[in-house]
Amino acid sequence: GAVVSQHPSWVICKSGTSVKIECRSLDFQATTMFWYRQFPKQSLMLMATSNEGSKATYEQGVEKDKFLINHASLTLSTLTVTSAHPEDSSFYICSAASSGRINEQFFGPGTRLTVL
Amino acid sequence: GQQLNQSPQSMFIQEGEDVSMNCTSSSIFNTWLWYKQDPGEGPVLLIALYKAGELTSNGRLTAQFGITRKDSFLNISASIPSDVGIYFCAGQAGANSKLTFGKGITLSVRP
Repeated sequence: GAVVSQHPSWVICKSGTSVKIECRSLDFQATTMFWYRQFPKQSLMLMATSNEGSKATYEQGVEKDKFLINHASLTLSTLTVTSAHPEDSSFYICSAASSGRINEQFFGPGTRLTVL
Repeated sequence: GQQLNQSPQSMFIQEGEDVSMNCTSSSIFNTWLWYKQDPGEGPVLLIALYKAGELTSNGRLTAQFGITRKDSFLNISASIPSDVGIYFCAGQAGANSKLTFGKGITLSVRP
């Protein structure tokens, strides 16, 4: 149980384009989903927290107009990197938690974004 | 802000050896979690601890929630090559608060 998937697993795009990353909880209802980014040999940095049906809460320093998050259902959240630039290249990881166990986050396998 | 300290950054052990990793904080956490991350993958939850003093095992892994609520340790016994990876501790201060991650410890196991 507690499986979280991400799609795509990797993506290469040109500078200026937008990229959408999907995060799905496959066998449980995720009332809360989290988006992290991770640079090589670094820890996970929380970008935003999203609750189903409401607006995401962004961490300080994260541009909400650049990283659009939608959590339209209990099993799906999407992160759209708008007008991507090379400095947005990173490993993006989502995690999901159910309402009864908010402090147990289950992570997706991550999406490697490379912006040329 | 809250920080979790994990050191050293890397550990090298021989297959079959036991290894212990510490995670410390200057502030109190009410939940401690240990994750393992393989290269190019997301972290996988190993053990979750909810009460001060709690000792929990998961196969060859044992973790404890420190009595002061400012530390936790993870033990791996009889290490095997697939134990290689990055081990992150994470803490949560309150029921709905975000996770704070340590910087991780990279474990290498020599056959």
